[in-house]
Amino acid sequence: GAGVSQSPSNKVTEKGKDVELRCDPISGHTALYWYRQRLGQGLEFLIYFQGNSAPDKSGLPSDRFSAERTGESVSTLTIQRTQQEDSAVYLCASSSYPVGSRFFGPGTRLTVL
Amino acid sequence: AQKVTQAQTEISVVEKEDVTLDCVYETRDTTYYLFWYKQPPSGELVFLIRRNSFDEQNEISGRYSWNFQKSTSSFNFTITASQVVDSAVYFCALSRGLPGAQKLVFGQGTRLTINP
Repeated sequence: GAGVSQSPSNKVTEKGKDVELRCDPISGHTALYWYRQRLGQGLEFLIYFQGNSAPDKSGLPSDRFSAERTGESVSTLTIQRTQQEDSAVYLCASSSYPVGSRFFGPGTRLTVL
Repeated sequence: AQKVTQAQTEISVVEKEDVTLDCVYETRDTTYYLFWYKQPPSGELVFLIRRNSFDEQNEISGRYSWNFQKSTSSFNFTITASQVVDSAVYFCALSRGLPGAQKLVFGQGTRLTINP
């Protein structure tokens, strides 16, 4: 499709396990963003990429969180040793350079038991 | 630092009423961008509008209109003749206008319920 896609759509995991969340941005969009939305809350910025570089990682909550992007395309957000407070919807967005409208994917709902 | 405040956490109106969602922002930048997004019950964020800080002209798109006032640092959103399908959480957001990708800073959102 033409929009931002994310996988999986839902992920249930046990506390302490690692998870990987994937984002496929809109083709040609050089900027990519990760956000987290806890139940009933607003969007919390995690990290953004310009190309394959991450100029701002200030929103990553701890060193258990990391993200990478390759080929100026797909991005993976990895959460190590998941905790219950990591339960949230993780949203990815992309935009064209330099300041385009951000289009969001459907999100990955992560539940940590 | 940038900040977006949506003081109305929840609004409930009857169908066909007009409703205005408030958004107040803080930034030290002279160039910046403002956004509105809609998040229906399905959860996906839907882009509504992007406005740059140099364009204070109000915009109308069908039943939607936006009032940008730099003097009061506000970017309010009005829905005219509301419909049940307008029920959603609406987010206002702000980004810096520097070259390159810039993160969006979101308000906490306003939950709008349109009752039949």
